Formats: sequence, structure tokens, C-alpha cells
Amino acid sequence: AQSVTQLGSHVSVSEGALVLLRCNYSSSVPPYLFWYVQYPNQGLQLLLKYTSAATLVKGINGFEAEFKKSETSFHLTKPSAHMSDAAEYFCAVSVFMNSGNTPLVFGKGTRLSVIA
Amino acid sequence: DAGVTQSPTHLIKTRGQQVTLRCSPKSGHDTVSWYQQALGQGPQFIFQYYEEEERQRGNFPDRFSGHQFPNYSSELNVNALLLGDSALYLCASSRRRAEYSYEQYFGPGTRLTVT
Repeated sequence: AQSVTQLGSHVSVSEGALVLLRCNYSSSVPPYLFWYVQYPNQGLQLLLKYTSAATLVKGINGFEAEFKKSETSFHLTKPSAHMSDAAEYFCAVSVFMNSGNTPLVFGKGTRLSVIA
Repeated sequence: DAGVTQSPTHLIKTRGQQVTLRCSPKSGHDTVSWYQQALGQGPQFIFQYYEEEERQRGNFPDRFSGHQFPNYSSELNVNALLLGDSALYLCASSRRRAEYSYEQYFGPGTRLTVT
């Protein structure tokens, strides 16, 4: 079975500072990895995904993530935080089996606060 | 192109009652998955439907059931509601075709409160 661990339930950064949200996964087969963002009282929006192509993945709103197999990590970064980045971020994993992908397994989430 | 839509937005029910939540998938999608997101937690997979049948199921009791219609829309039913069923229920749609099956698009969710 797959699993995801997000280190840090709450991360606080100053506006303009680097954003780093940590995600480690566990999977016995090559994973598909995802980062989703959730704004208050809203559903999930896909930020970016890793599907076994390039290990450095660029997403929307200036976010990117790097797949590191040796470290079983898929950390999310953004060079300069903006106030509008304040939200809950979820890392998720899926694997391809038989004729399709397994359901997403999510981490517990990291709440990002941005201080002016 | 409409995305995934869910109804109602909010719902308040009493313990022991039954509830039905609805989901319409994104245009071109034929598979619907349901997730439960308790407060302060990540979403947890309930089940998945395609071709009008339940294909995969997470660790949820039989009180949780569903249905998929010929137009690919779906319903989630929960019987004998418990206080612990209070959560945001998310619907996600995708294409069954294998090479696209990992692309899941989420709706805005239905917030269920059980009192």
C-alpha cells in the first residue's frame, strides 16, 4: 500500500521568502505524485504532478517540486511567497496497476501562512 | 466547459437520518470517485464508480453506498448518520482510459454537518 507523510502541519513564511513544504512517500512500485492546494471552504486544485517523466516538475502559480527517488521525497517549493499563497496544501500518491491508477492517498496536509 | 459540480453546497442532518449527495463529472469524464475530508485531515477515498458499478472501495462501512447513472453523474448515500460523518465530501472525476486515469479533477465539495 502507498502512503504519504507531510512534515509540518503548519508552516509560516514572510511575504517574498522561500516556500518549502515537505512530502515523503512510501510505495513499492513507481509512484505518481501530486500536490493539491485547498483554499478555505473550497475543493482541491491541482498544483502539479509527477508521472515518471522529468523529475523537476513545474506547476501553476510559480510552484515546482522535485522527485527524488533515493530520498522518497517530493517537496514543494516556490522562490517567493505571496499573500495569496496562504492555503492548505496536500501531497498525494497513486500507482498504476492493471488497467488504471489506484485512488489517491493523501497526506494530512500543511497549512501555509504568509506574513506581510 | 463546466468542471465537476456537486450539490448541495451545505447540508445539516440529525443523527440516524439518511443523506444523498450528488456529483456531475467534468465533460468527457466517465469515472467518479468520492472522498471524505474530516476537519483538519486529508481526504480519504470512499469508493469509485465507472460503467455504473462500484469498482474500488476504501475502508468505509456499508452505510456508505453509491450509484452512477448512464450520464456518468453519481450519488453518494449515507445511512444511519453518525456525528463522525460530519465532513467535507469531495467528488473527483477522471477518464477510465488507462493513460489518463491518474488525472482527477475535484469538485467544490458538500459540507455535511450531523447534529
